[in-house]
Amino acid sequence: DAKTTQPTSMDCAEGRAANLPCNHSTISGNEYVYWYRQIHSQGPQYIIHGLKNNETNEMASLIITEDRKSSTLILPHATLRDTAVYYCIVRANAATQGGSEKLVFGKGTKLTVNP
Amino acid sequence: NAGVMQNPRHLVRRRGQEARLRCSPMKGHSHVYWYRQLPEEGLKFMVYLQKENIIDESGMPKERFSAEFPKEGPSILRIQQVVRGDSAAYFCASSSRQGLTGELFFGEGSRLTVL
Repeated sequence: DAKTTQPTSMDCAEGRAANLPCNHSTISGNEYVYWYRQIHSQGPQYIIHGLKNNETNEMASLIITEDRKSSTLILPHATLRDTAVYYCIVRANAATQGGSEKLVFGKGTKLTVNP
Repeated sequence: NAGVMQNPRHLVRRRGQEARLRCSPMKGHSHVYWYRQLPEEGLKFMVYLQKENIIDESGMPKERFSAEFPKEGPSILRIQQVVRGDSAAYFCASSSRQGLTGELFFGEGSRLTVL
């Protein structure tokens, strides 16, 4: 079962920042936070992941609270092509922590970027 | 570097027939995952394989479904005696065991329609 809670849907204006929240209050010390998205009918796409420090890449920024019980994915300048379902997943890094290899997807947040 | 390749992209079968879905992981990846997505639902984990081994099949239905990942060639998800409820998108993902990030790379999916 998914260990995260996300809003069902959100709207954002094109060109504005999209801030997608995720609650993971039962996260363990060795579990990472992963974000994926699925644009309609396509395969899921990796966005970013982090453990406890904030992370940024060319797609997004990930802000993790100090107690690690929640995080926010930030798309700094949303475009129409960012309309998708965004999944927040927690999982131990199997390569180093001996966690389960699979990702467990919840229902995600349906983000709609409006013109 | 080619991504995860799945074929066929679309497959139509009549009830009782067999469906075979193929997945070629990214070059250098030896870990393959299969997920199923029913219409209007989320992604459900089915099985995780490494070369010649099934590591986690906790999401596989007990009957009619099987998966393999031979030493040579693609991973195969096989569904025998298909029923209408098997109609879904089947996504394959691959990862590198040496990758500390643990991120999965997904294919574009195979859409099975059972008439």
